[in-house]
Amino acid sequence: SQTIHQWPATLVQPVGSPLSLECTVEGTSNPNLYWYRQAAGRGLQLLFYSVGIGQISSEVPQNLSASRPQDRQFILSSKKLLLSDSGFYLCAWSGDFQETQYFGPGTRLLVL
Amino acid sequence: DQQVKQNSPSLRVQEGRISILNCDYTNSMFDYFLWYKKYPAEGPTFLISISSIKDKNEDGRFTVFLNKSAKHLSLHIVPSQPGDSAVYFCAAALQGAQKLVFGQGTRLTINP
Repeated sequence: SQTIHQWPATLVQPVGSPLSLECTVEGTSNPNLYWYRQAAGRGLQLLFYSVGIGQISSEVPQNLSASRPQDRQFILSSKKLLLSDSGFYLCAWSGDFQETQYFGPGTRLLVL
Repeated sequence: DQQVKQNSPSLRVQEGRISILNCDYTNSMFDYFLWYKKYPAEGPTFLISISSIKDKNEDGRFTVFLNKSAKHLSLHIVPSQPGDSAVYFCAAALQGAQKLVFGQGTRLTINP
């Protein structure tokens, strides 16, 4: 069966510091991978998605970037965090030509 | 431009009664719809989906209804249980588009 991992679970970072969140998927190959953010009391905002290694589509221009160095690894990064980057970050995967996405446990980021 | 809308931010239902969560969409090209359940500080969990070629899909206590002419779908939970208390997101997709469009979510509270 497929599983999706995210780490860390919680992160407190000062403004201006760098960020690296990691997501890995097990039990499947060539998944579509997604990064979402849920701000407090808000819905799910799609940040990036990837259909293959090195292929990244950005949905919202902002202070973040994403990379996919391996088939089942998706990384969300920032060079300098802003206060507005605080939120709950979710990674998800879906199979090729499948609409249903399956989410990881999430990372809570607090920028102070 | 919010293509998927959940107009009720919250809903309270008595245990044992029916919970009805509603969702409206504007893009008539959407042909696949999903419901997710989310507990605080966790990733959303896929509940049930429906293709546009159907108007109803059941899975245990959960039933999704689709009214294409009204661009409306609903999730019925019966009987409602305290463990159903969570935020529910509807989502829509174009077949093969690899992206989901989410509503803002409805917080369901089941009163014992």
